[in-house]
Amino acid sequence: KAGVTQTPRYLIKTRGQQVTLSCSPISGHRSVSWYQQTPGQGLQFLFEYFSETQRNKGNFPGRFSGRQFSNSRSEMNVSTLELGDSALYLCASSRTSGGISEQYFGPGTRLTVT
Amino acid sequence: AQKITQTQPGMFVQEKEAVTLDCTYDTSDPSYGLFWYKQPSSGEMIFLIYQGSYDQQNATEGRYSLNFQKARKSANLVISASQLGDSAMYFCAMRRLNTGGFKTIFGAGTRLFVKA
Repeated sequence: KAGVTQTPRYLIKTRGQQVTLSCSPISGHRSVSWYQQTPGQGLQFLFEYFSETQRNKGNFPGRFSGRQFSNSRSEMNVSTLELGDSALYLCASSRTSGGISEQYFGPGTRLTVT
Repeated sequence: AQKITQTQPGMFVQEKEAVTLDCTYDTSDPSYGLFWYKQPSSGEMIFLIYQGSYDQQNATEGRYSLNFQKARKSANLVISASQLGDSAMYFCAMRRLNTGGFKTIFGAGTRLFVKA
């Protein structure tokens, strides 16, 4: 069974640009969550999508957005990139949303903003 | 508000010995889940063990056990018989169970070094 895949794995962008990251969940999983990991702030929840609907959102500015497609694949977009957006972006998938469902994480996309 | 605190930035342990990684939490929710994840240098988060707030017994998964003390709001991870491959970052996490969706909060993490 294939795990969670994230593309691209590494990305370098310039301030002011926008970026789109992709996450393909495990087959059969309908929930996809996104997290940002930085040395200063640690792991922070961005948002969760379940059946193409955003279920939860963390405390991030509107520059961070996401969506989920009918095949459960998810994308997150960051517009007007800032240096502080440099981070490892992790996505996690789960069969259902919430409860004791286990989340399976992908390898992450490492974004560097210069 | 929910909060997870991991007070050990780094820990050393000798191979084959046991090690305890500390985690305390704060929440007013009666129904919550506590999780431990391992993050090797590759970056991928690996689920290790789960403890529900209503679970009577401490969770165990192979060499991992969770020392859950509800009154003290602590959920320490115990790794028995440490192996070199256990060297990694370890994160304690929590989320509410009585609301829909995932909004997991994580502690700052503990870096574990296993010495040969």
